[in-house]
Amino acid sequence: AQTVTQSQPEMSVQEAETVTLSCTYDTSESNYYLFWYKQPPSRQMILVIRQEAYKQQNATENRFSVNFQKAAKSFSLKISDSQLGDTAMYFCAFKWSNTGKLIFGQGTTLQVKP
Amino acid sequence: DAMVIQNPRYQVTQFGKPVTLSCSQTLNHNVMYWYQQKSSQAPKLLFHYYDKDFNNEADTPDNFQSRRPNTSFCFLDIRSPGLGDAAMYLCATSRAILTSEKLFFGSGTQLSVL
Repeated sequence: AQTVTQSQPEMSVQEAETVTLSCTYDTSESNYYLFWYKQPPSRQMILVIRQEAYKQQNATENRFSVNFQKAAKSFSLKISDSQLGDTAMYFCAFKWSNTGKLIFGQGTTLQVKP
Repeated sequence: DAMVIQNPRYQVTQFGKPVTLSCSQTLNHNVMYWYQQKSSQAPKLLFHYYDKDFNNEADTPDNFQSRRPNTSFCFLDIRSPGLGDAAMYLCATSRAILTSEKLFFGSGTQLSVL
């Protein structure tokens, strides 16, 4: 069965610094999609960044970028210039391209400190 | 603004008393999902609708049912809630299912079972 593992339950970073959140996944599929979602204390989950597995180039969205290592089945999120508003739980998610099912990792709680 | 709305924000029910959670969307999306999120755990997919086509996850208990009377509304019915059903229930939508389309989430309904 496909699984998504986030090995860091909690992390903290000083404002303006850089932090990397780890995610690994297990699949036998070759085509799939990967996502990072952010769930702030208000609880509405929003998309941070996404990556298609067939694309070699790492996705970037402003201060957020990923390091996608397909062979290693690793999908880490780097947050540059951390801001207080980045404080949230971050979920790594895997989506099958043939069924559309989306599964989440356990989440990493990120605290940005002033 | 187009959005996904879940009512109520907090729901308290008694052990064994049926309860219905509501979700509406103004995005006109084809796909609607229900996720269960227990404290400090990953959201777990219960089922989804693609238009009127209902797709139940294999490990979703029979106690959980869903209805989608039209494109805009989707309901989660818990026929006989147990203490283990206390959780945050998240509704989400997407335009398509077999793509990298992101999910739009509601703010969730926190269900307590007394």
